[in-house]
Amino acid sequence: NAGVMQNPRHLVRRRGQEARLRCSPMKGHSHVYWYRQLPEEGLKFMVYLQKENIIDESGMPKERFSAEFPKEGPSILRIQQVVRGDSAAYFCASSLVADPTYEQYFGPGTRLTVT
Amino acid sequence: GQQLNQSPQSMFIQEGEDVSMNCTSSSIFNTWLWYKQDPGEGPVLLIALYKAGELTSNGRLTAQFGITRKDSFLNISASIPSDVGIYFCAGQGAQKLVFGQGTRLTINP
Repeated sequence: NAGVMQNPRHLVRRRGQEARLRCSPMKGHSHVYWYRQLPEEGLKFMVYLQKENIIDESGMPKERFSAEFPKEGPSILRIQQVVRGDSAAYFCASSLVADPTYEQYFGPGTRLTVT
Repeated sequence: GQQLNQSPQSMFIQEGEDVSMNCTSSSIFNTWLWYKQDPGEGPVLLIALYKAGELTSNGRLTAQFGITRKDSFLNISASIPSDVGIYFCAGQGAQKLVFGQGTRLTINP
């Protein structure tokens, strides 16, 4: 059973470009979470999605950032007009059920570098 | 917003020593979790705690959920080289996880 997959693993973008980060949850998981990790810091929650619905986006910046989890295909985190401060590792996690007793499994992350 | 304070930030120990790290919060959490992150990878769950006062072990790891639900500690006994990495505590509120800043563990052979 494959784990959470993220691609690309590394992404380099120039200021002003768009970044698209993809996350394929574990098989059978319909709950996806995105977190951001700055160097030397812990992960910070961004958004929680269930198939076709955004449930909680309280951690996502209001501008330039968007997320989706379509009925078919991976979840996408989109960052428009990237700035240097967007450089970070972005992690996706998935869970089988939206219940604290069910583990969130993390992917290997996408490391975004904005030049 | 919710914040977890994790200490120490870093530890340098000899192989075979025991390790202790802890986490405190200004908010109550119903679930406390401890993760390990290796370089270039995502966090991996080590121990999950669901009940205040609960003490749980996983091999050489032992963690406790504080009775006030605002703190937790993780102990690692008889450290080995593969224990090197960054350890994070996390409190679970609703569906999102709130992470501490991490404890970086370095082991001298």
